[in-house]
Amino acid sequence: GNSVTQMEGPVTLSEEAFLTINCTYTATGYPSLFWYVQYPGEGLQLLLKATKADDKGSNKGFEATYRKETTSFHLEKGSVQVSDSAVYFCALSKNHKLSFGAGTTVTVRA
Amino acid sequence: GAGVSQSPSNKVTEKGKDVELRCDPISGHTALYWYRQSLGQGLEFLIYFQGNSAPDKSGLPSDRFSAERTGGSVSTLTIQRTQQEDSAVYLCASSLASGGRDTYEQYFGPGTRLTVT
Repeated sequence: GNSVTQMEGPVTLSEEAFLTINCTYTATGYPSLFWYVQYPGEGLQLLLKATKADDKGSNKGFEATYRKETTSFHLEKGSVQVSDSAVYFCALSKNHKLSFGAGTTVTVRA
Repeated sequence: GAGVSQSPSNKVTEKGKDVELRCDPISGHTALYWYRQSLGQGLEFLIYFQGNSAPDKSGLPSDRFSAERTGGSVSTLTIQRTQQEDSAVYLCASSLASGGRDTYEQYFGPGTRLTVT
């Protein structure tokens, strides 16, 4: 079946540090890939997406590239802010269902 | 515009009682989804509606769970004879018609936190 494995947290960083959250997937065919974010006390929001191999999704300084050869979709940000503290979920969409990773809690300290 | 709305935001019920959770999708979105978020299981797909097609119920954990979507808009998720393991946040999402493609993003509501005592 389809599944997503993402880096376990929690991750604690200082402001302006570089953030990477690893995500790999298992799926048949060509799924679309997403990163969703859940800020404290808020609902799930789409952060970025990529729908085919070698696509790069980007938003709010975050980037992720769809790598079919390594079945990966790692999330990166070059300089994090305190406001980036949240839970990040990697997900794939196949046959209209989203399959999510377990989530990675990121805390950014001032 | 208005996002996905869900009600109630919180529900506490006694074991064995039935509960109904409501979802109002974004206007114009023909696809609607229910998910469950729990500490032990993470985020799980429950059910999917698309237009007048038969829903995909493959994620429903037991026959105590059912859902309907009236008039192609509002949806209700019903849990009968609730159990403690049903305690979770139930999330509704909507999207433009998927049409067999998986490229459309799903927009999530704030969720209903269900606690079964």
